[in-house]
Amino acid sequence: AQKITQTQPGMFVQEKEAVTLDCTYDTSDQSYGLFWYKQPSSGEMIFLIYQGSYDEQNATEGRYSLNFQKARKSANLVISASQLGDSAMYFCAMRENYGQNFVFGPGTRLSVLP
Amino acid sequence: DSGVTQTPKHLITATGQRVTLRCSPRSGDLSVYWYQQSLDQGLQFLIQYYNGEERAKGNILERFSAQQFPDLHSELNLSSLELGDSALYFCASSRQGGYGYTFGSGTRLTVV
Repeated sequence: AQKITQTQPGMFVQEKEAVTLDCTYDTSDQSYGLFWYKQPSSGEMIFLIYQGSYDEQNATEGRYSLNFQKARKSANLVISASQLGDSAMYFCAMRENYGQNFVFGPGTRLSVLP
Repeated sequence: DSGVTQTPKHLITATGQRVTLRCSPRSGDLSVYWYQQSLDQGLQFLIQYYNGEERAKGNILERFSAQQFPDLHSELNLSSLELGDSALYFCASSRQGGYGYTFGSGTRLTVV
């Protein structure tokens, strides 16, 4: 079964607008971490934001915020004030327990339009 | 620079050949993870090493092997290469007590 689901293969957003990238996850663990990574066309994987399962506040990092709804098992990434440089693939990932490997979702390709 | 170094950045080789990909983790990180990213399979976990010992194994083919050396650098060996092995191979590292990964810039392997 898929542990990480990203239902939007591709999305478009107008420059300077906000956009939400969806991510739902499946785990029976109580302790886990949720991550978002950005992969531009150059190929490198860039860490954006982290949310721990016990964190009560939604994580924020600059223009990125994570809308964490634990009961729904969702961890959506919100990018505010989109920029052309935000055009990339975005991966949601989960790490169950301490020391385990990451599981990645299939990714969402975001295109920011001028 | 993420601190995780992968070499080479690009590799083109023929079917049936063997290649070695190298990864130096970020200073202080004991865990090294290898991932394969192909167009049709997404990011697939291959194998994890922790301080020289294999810790977890994912969807790694028998033709592939890896090891982590005493200086903590790791090598991924791919043999009897097939066209379908063409992919971006990432190495990532993490430290004790840390939740996150730091990725290297990847090695793009093209099998022709």
